[in-house]
Amino acid sequence: NAGVTQTPKFQVLKTGQSMTLQCAQDMNHEYMSWYRQDPGMGLRLIHYSVGAGITDQGEVPNGYNVSRSTTEDFPLRLLSAAPSQTSVYFCASSYERDEKLFFGSGTQLSVL
Amino acid sequence: GIQVEQSPPDLILQEGANSTLRCNFSDSVNNLQWFHQNPWGQLINLFYIPSGTKQNGRLSATTVATERYSLLYISSSQTTDSGVYFCAVPVSYNTDKLIFGTGTRLQVFP
Repeated sequence: NAGVTQTPKFQVLKTGQSMTLQCAQDMNHEYMSWYRQDPGMGLRLIHYSVGAGITDQGEVPNGYNVSRSTTEDFPLRLLSAAPSQTSVYFCASSYERDEKLFFGSGTQLSVL
Repeated sequence: GIQVEQSPPDLILQEGANSTLRCNFSDSVNNLQWFHQNPWGQLINLFYIPSGTKQNGRLSATTVATERYSLLYISSSQTTDSGVYFCAVPVSYNTDKLIFGTGTRLQVFP
C-alpha cells in the first residue's frame, strides 16, 4: 500500500490563480480530511469527508472547495489564491471516524 | 469549544535521557491521538489512545480521560526522536473534527 499520496509537493501561485491539490489513498478508508499547518498554530481542519459524495466544513473552510466522487480521491481546490493561503497542506485519512489518522507527506504552497 | 494545551512547548535532551510530554484538554473526549512530525515535515501517528496505557517500543502513552490529560513518555531518547509532538482530540463528542494542540518541539542531541 502506498498509503496517502499528495501531489504536488511544492507549488508557487500568483494571487488570483486557481489550482487543485490532489490526495489519494489506497487503504479503502472512508474518512478523509484536509488540514493546513501554519507556524506556531498546529494543524487546522479545512474540510473533511465521511464517505463518497459526503463532505463538510472544518475550522477554516473559506476559500477552499472539495468534492468526493470516489472513496480513493479527495481533491482540494483553491478558487482564487490569496497570500493568506500560503501554508503547508496535509491530507489525512482513516478507516472510520474515531480511528487512527494517517497523513500524506504534505504540499508546501506559496501564494505571491 | 474544547481547548487543547501541550507542555512543555520546547524540550532539549541529550541522547539517552527520558522525557514526559503532557496534553491537557478542557472537556470530555472519546478519542485522543499522538503524532510525531519529523524534521522533514512528515506526520506519523504514534498512538490512538482514548483511555488507558499503550506501549510501542521506547514510547508509551497514558490517557486519564476522567482527569482530562494524556502523557507521552519517551525513554532512552535518540536523535531520530527529534521533531514536534502533537496531540489531537475531537472538538466535541461524536464529531469528525479533530483539534490539534500547538505541539512540543523536542531536540535530542548526541
